[in-house]
Amino acid sequence: AQSVSQHNHHVILSEAASLELGCNYSYGGTVNLFWYVQYPGQHLQLLLKYFSGDPLVKGIKGFEAEFIKSKFSFNLRKPSVQWSDTAEYFCAVKNSGTYKYIFGTGTRLKVLA
Amino acid sequence: DTAVSQTPKYLVTQMGNDKSIKCEQNLGHDTMYWYKQDSKKFLKIMFSYNNKELIINETVPNRFSPKSPDKAHLNLHINSLELGDSAVYFCASSQDPPFQETQYFGPGTRLLVL
Repeated sequence: AQSVSQHNHHVILSEAASLELGCNYSYGGTVNLFWYVQYPGQHLQLLLKYFSGDPLVKGIKGFEAEFIKSKFSFNLRKPSVQWSDTAEYFCAVKNSGTYKYIFGTGTRLKVLA
Repeated sequence: DTAVSQTPKYLVTQMGNDKSIKCEQNLGHDTMYWYKQDSKKFLKIMFSYNNKELIINETVPNRFSPKSPDKAHLNLHINSLELGDSAVYFCASSQDPPFQETQYFGPGTRLLVL
């Protein structure tokens, strides 16, 4: 069965530190990849997505992610985090051409001011 | 304009009651979803409808019954509520494949069963 793993469950960083959140998925076919963010008390919002083309995807708020097909990974990065980045981050995968999205268990990021 | 809206935002009820959560999207999407997010923030798909037809039905107790009166609405009715149903329920919508579909989420409904 298709699955998504986010190995970092809780991450605590100081402002200006660099961030990398891991996401690995298990599926051999063509996939669409997403990172969503959920700020405290809010709904999920799309940070970025990958469908095809350049494997380095840039999203909102300075986030980027790199799709490495050989590693089945789609890690999220940000060179310098801010206090306002404190949130829960979810990686999601979908088989291309289907409806079913599989979400990872999320990574809770806390940025200390 | 709110793209995906849900009502109510909060719902507190007793075990055994029946309750409904409503979802509406004004994005013109054909596909809508219900997700359950538990206390550990794990987000799991429950149902998906495409043009009012059920296309995804995960292992969900049959106390949960989705209803889609039209493609802009997907309501969730829950019978005989149990303590374990306490969670945040998110509605979402998306365009159909093979478009670069992205899911748009509603604000969530926090359900607490006492």
